[in-house]
Amino acid sequence: AQSVTQLGSHVSVSEGALVLLRCNYSSSVPPYLFWYVQYPNQGLQLLLKYTSAATLVKGINGFEAEFKKSETSFHLTKPSAHMSDAAEYFCAVTGGTSYGKLTFGQGTILTVHP
Amino acid sequence: GAGVSQTPSNKVTEKGKYVELRCDPISGHTALYWYRQSLGQGPEFLIYFQGTGAADDSGLPNDRFFAVRPEGSVSTLKIQRTERGDSAVYLCASSLAGPSTDTQYFGPGTRLTVL
Repeated sequence: AQSVTQLGSHVSVSEGALVLLRCNYSSSVPPYLFWYVQYPNQGLQLLLKYTSAATLVKGINGFEAEFKKSETSFHLTKPSAHMSDAAEYFCAVTGGTSYGKLTFGQGTILTVHP
Repeated sequence: GAGVSQTPSNKVTEKGKYVELRCDPISGHTALYWYRQSLGQGPEFLIYFQGTGAADDSGLPNDRFFAVRPEGSVSTLKIQRTERGDSAVYLCASSLAGPSTDTQYFGPGTRLTVL
């Protein structure tokens, strides 16, 4: 069984500040990890994914995440927040089967203040 | 190119009625997934198709839910005798082949409201 915990259902930052969204996972097999972003009235869009290559993964819109096996974490960061980053972010895990059934966290709503 | 599309975007129905939700995946994608997203929650897996067959339907909550993909492209999620607890956004995703490392591309969802 796999699970994801996203610490903080709401995160608020100022424009230009560091963005840090936390994700911890549980998996009995080597995990593949994903971050998706959801804008209002839009579908989920992939930001980045970890598939057992480099542990530091760079994604779209300046986001990156680091896979830390010892901490079972996959936190999402961005050095400088932009107003357009305001959205809901989901961390997801899969792995151990021959296909990608995703298990999602509960999501973190990011608010960016001017 | 066109992404995953879902119709209708909104569906309001009465308790006990039957509904069908449609998903058009990206052309050429053999893997198709349905998820359900309740208010304030992350998406939850319902069913996975590889081609025409349902390879994993372990997430379907009960036998009122059924999905088909007869020609390996368009899929329909069918809900019988709807209940208020079925109200949620139903998301469809497709991927090229289906392995865990494949990116899943999501549609905008169908918001189902059961009165």
